[in-house]
Amino acid sequence: EVQLVESGGGLVKPGGSLRLSCAASGFTFSIYSMNWVRQAPGKGLEWVSSISSSSTYIYYADSVKGRFTVSRDNAKNSLYLQMNSLRAEDTAVYYCATDRGRTVVSGLFDSWGQGTLVTVSS
Amino acid sequence: EIVLTQSPGTLSLSPGERATLSCRASQSVSTSYLAWYQQKPGQAPRLLIYGASSRATGIPDRFSGSGSGTDFTLTVSRLEPEDFAVYYCQQYGSSPPTFGQGTKVEIK
Repeated sequence: EVQLVESGGGLVKPGGSLRLSCAASGFTFSIYSMNWVRQAPGKGLEWVSSISSSSTYIYYADSVKGRFTVSRDNAKNSLYLQMNSLRAEDTAVYYCATDRGRTVVSGLFDSWGQGTLVTVSS
Repeated sequence: EIVLTQSPGTLSLSPGERATLSCRASQSVSTSYLAWYQQKPGQAPRLLIYGASSRATGIPDRFSGSGSGTDFTLTVSRLEPEDFAVYYCQQYGSSPPTFGQGTKVEIK
């Protein structure tokens, strides 16, 4: 059974940084692309970033480009999101999600973790 | 980017009734790369339908998807109590992947 467990969320001041992690189990993590999707409180879903299985292809939403960095460690079955220069509008639950694609990113989100809440406030 | 507009915003129905949800795209969705997700309060979204009409693993056959081009539909043939939730459509045919704003299916 696919399990994705996000961690690293919390309260941070505007301009601050946070690193999210997603621990994966129950599937062969190293052959699948992965994604981050966020949801602001009471709002809809917004794609944030994608990374292919070997980190060859990396994509970001315009709203986070230049501030967020996605990475993965296939030896540790883990996905990361380094978030810098955080703004109030980055406040959201951040979900990691598996991608249907493997060497390339498909943008179809198969399985989701339970999410971790990031709150950006002074 | 492709903008997806879902209607109605809220659907009030009784268990056993049929639910029909609409998703309209601002431009044609490549190769029908259109998905539907279900989200219950406090839970993560769950993939229901991909490729406009293919059910994801473990999804009951009362859920069906149809459509192509710019108009897509999710149908729940007979609503079960556990089907009351928010439903999102999403296109993954062009970058960036985008979601509709959601349709809430509530108990009447």
